[in-house]
Amino acid sequence: EAQVTQNPRYLITVTGKKLTVTCSQNMNHEYMSWYRQDPGLGLRQIYYSMNVEVTDKGDVPEGYKVSRKEKRNFPLILESPSPNQTSLYFCASKALPNYEQYFGPGTRLTVT
Amino acid sequence: GENVEQHPSTLSVQEGDSAVIKCTYSDSASNYFPWYKQELGKRPQLIIDIRSNVGEKKDQRIAVTLNKTAKHFSLHITETQPEDSAVYFCAASIPNSNYQLIWGAGTKLIIKP
Repeated sequence: EAQVTQNPRYLITVTGKKLTVTCSQNMNHEYMSWYRQDPGLGLRQIYYSMNVEVTDKGDVPEGYKVSRKEKRNFPLILESPSPNQTSLYFCASKALPNYEQYFGPGTRLTVT
Repeated sequence: GENVEQHPSTLSVQEGDSAVIKCTYSDSASNYFPWYKQELGKRPQLIIDIRSNVGEKKDQRIAVTLNKTAKHFSLHITETQPEDSAVYFCAASIPNSNYQLIWGAGTKLIIKP
């Protein structure tokens, strides 16, 4: 089954404790992206990657890191999480040159 | 840069009535406009899209219209049903951006029984 997976689905952590949210897709898509979703603000892009070893900042990259060492994986790293990073995070992928994105199930992160 | 505004933020309609959600965009070079539906606790999923060479597109009870001159596009849902309750996001393509999208803030559609 073609899909985008994320882990963990729920995470509660404390300020400053490094964490990684994994994202994997099995559709051989070149493009992958991370979004955060907050009430009233919609989907805001954090980082995206056009292909292996190619990553770019989105609209809200501060406090986040990503890497794209393999085509299928695009982990999101929070080196020192803060409470303002409490949010719902979505990973997405798509095949170029197309626009339609396929989203993962989401990761709800709470930083206390 | 490109900006997308979406209205209303919340829309409540009686079951069976029609619902209309509107988005405006700023860059006249945008050429692709999708609508995504996000049910409670679920991921966003594409429900319909339109390209700039078309004025209207329909798929059963949903339709999207595009007015390039005015730079706005709308989602129309007819004969609304309880399963239409969700958050709807519009988006617009960012020209010369490797197929990037800019997103509206979302509309929460509530269908009243």
